Amino acid sequence: DSGVTQTPKHLITATGQRVTLRCSPRSGDLSVYWYQQSLDQGLQFLIQYYNGEERAKGNILERFSAQQFPDLHSELNLSSLELGDSALYFCASSVDTGGNYGYTFGSGTRLTVV
Amino acid sequence: GEDVEQSLFLSVREGDSSVINCTYTDSSSTYLYWYKQEPGAGLQLLTYIFSNMDMKQDQRLTVLLNKKDKHLSLRIADTQTGDSAIYFCAETPMYSGGGADGLTFGKGTHLIIQP
Repeated sequence: DSGVTQTPKHLITATGQRVTLRCSPRSGDLSVYWYQQSLDQGLQFLIQYYNGEERAKGNILERFSAQQFPDLHSELNLSSLELGDSALYFCASSVDTGGNYGYTFGSGTRLTVV
Repeated sequence: GEDVEQSLFLSVREGDSSVINCTYTDSSSTYLYWYKQEPGAGLQLLTYIFSNMDMKQDQRLTVLLNKKDKHLSLRIADTQTGDSAIYFCAETPMYSGGGADGLTFGKGTHLIIQP
């Protein structure tokens, strides 16, 4: 157990729908990062939050949004889902803003859009 | 932008050493990482090295960095069946302000262990 908790582990939904993925960072970590892992694109950085504020944005689609709450858990919202959004979504956390000493990853949420 | 390249597969015999290679393009000072992903699991940080270092050793793992050639390698001594996984090389620029743009990952190297 890495200390980063992601729920749900699996999610199957239809095109056009909206889902919310949840992440609780490791205790003491203030930064949360979201990554998407797909066979064709590999691991892509989506977005980072630090202590409730958006810190950095990567290849995140406009249909996707995220937030970090006062208790530091984070949610990734995916809307108007398309077949191509099927992927593993990972959350990671680090104690600092830069994550320069490495991140701790959760075990991921596997999203299947049908 | 930054790019990280790895070969997709490496096959080694149990007990031999595995050497997984990675090249990156970022020319600024950088942090470099090796992560391990087992089937159905998240990524586990194995080790990291700063670009002002040439080598780092941690038990069976040795990381070598050739900054001139932007080449990073991970050597696993006495490879065991439990080492079978996908190994990702990743890098992030070293910003003095502590900002982060996330890690740039390679596509991963599948390490296959032959008995």
